[in-house]
Amino acid sequence: LAKTTQPISMDSYEGQEVNITCSHNNIATNDYITWYQQFPSQGPRFIIQGYKTKVTNEVASLFIPADRKSSTLSLPRVSLSDTAVYYCLVGFNNAGNMLTFGGGTRLMVKP
Amino acid sequence: GAGVSQSPSNKVTEKGKDVELRCDPISGHTALYWYRQRLGQGLEFLIYFQGNSAPDKSGLPSDRFSAERTGESVSTLTIQRTQQEDSAVYLCASSRGEWGTDTQYFGPGTRLTVL
Repeated sequence: LAKTTQPISMDSYEGQEVNITCSHNNIATNDYITWYQQFPSQGPRFIIQGYKTKVTNEVASLFIPADRKSSTLSLPRVSLSDTAVYYCLVGFNNAGNMLTFGGGTRLMVKP
Repeated sequence: GAGVSQSPSNKVTEKGKDVELRCDPISGHTALYWYRQRLGQGLEFLIYFQGNSAPDKSGLPSDRFSAERTGESVSTLTIQRTQQEDSAVYLCASSRGEWGTDTQYFGPGTRLTVL
């Protein structure tokens, strides 16, 4: 099982770019990397997913180096509403393989 | 379209009582997951269903916890003889069950309080 490690918390200010890195040293060949966002009293919500190199969508970018042992979620120009917990998930949905959430990173965006 | 729904949204029970938590996944999603999240903590995996079978029950914390899924749809998580440490938000998620690029869609959770 690929275990993930993330910083417990981060602080930022409105308008800044935020980069959250997740370590997953024993990621398997077939594993994808997915990031979720969770607001208080809500279930997690999908943000972005990737396998290698770089993925970008309307919300974020995901950078994955060649060895895939880490990944970085990049949030451009954060706003107060981006204050949430961000989870890195590494896994492969297959019978017998468990998808494991890390502890999450609590991002606080200040005015 | 409709997302994942869970009921009840809140449940308060007395220690020693049994509770049943329900999850209605997105129609057509073959995979279903249960997680537990204690206050201020991360997500703790409990059990995973592919169709109606549960290939991975490794996360169930004790034999007081059980889950079933019928008709590749609704799932019920049952906690018997509840204890105060069972107090948490119980989250359900479903997915298409596709290889590699699967995305989980979460419900709003059931907040369980054991007095």
